[in-house]
Amino acid sequence: DQQVKQNSPSLSVQEGRISILNCDYTNSMFDYFLWYKKYPAEGPTFLISISSIKDKNEDGRFTVFLNKSAKHLSLHIVPSQPGDSAVYFCAASAVSGTYKYIFGTGTRLKVLA
Amino acid sequence: GAGVSQTPSNKVTEKGKYVELRCDPISGHTALYWYRQSLGQGPEFLIYFQGTGAADDSGLPNDRFFAVRPEGSVSTLKIQRTERGDSAVYLCASSQGAGNTGELFFGEGSRLTVL
Repeated sequence: DQQVKQNSPSLSVQEGRISILNCDYTNSMFDYFLWYKKYPAEGPTFLISISSIKDKNEDGRFTVFLNKSAKHLSLHIVPSQPGDSAVYFCAASAVSGTYKYIFGTGTRLKVLA
Repeated sequence: GAGVSQTPSNKVTEKGKYVELRCDPISGHTALYWYRQSLGQGPEFLIYFQGTGAADDSGLPNDRFFAVRPEGSVSTLKIQRTERGDSAVYLCASSQGAGNTGELFFGEGSRLTVL
């Protein structure tokens, strides 16, 4: 039972354009969401997070949108840069739950120069 | 170093052997997590420590897997009677407080290959 789903395994975007990565979740108890970026042979690194009391959080080129009714979040990267090429994971947790973060299967982003 | 340190970075073992993987979290971080990542999958939760105690071990797949954190800092993941299906990258992460509203800082992982 995959509680956090990233249905697009890969995405290619031209440099300078917008990258949109999507994530869906099924557990209505989730109320905190994070995005991680992972380069080969490295551990995941934190990118941006959002609490369920918000519907948008922005940090430089990265913006995360949360649609609670649809149980959907997305990460927007604009403008995309070749250094953004990596695997992106979304993760979710329940503040009132057992503290574990559940990760999606990841989307591999390739930004073409 | 300042980050989460995991050793060994690579471990090749034979089916049936015992393996220990070590994690040294960021100094002062009370929460420590173990995850397992198989090829093409996202990190899969195994166990979470708050201090010395395992607050949630619901992700451990079976009783061959065990983890300890005796002094509330370094943790060791122990796998007995390894099987080929245990082959994966084992990721350790730590965070400052009671876990789930802060970011996790991950190590580079220990790649386990069971032949």
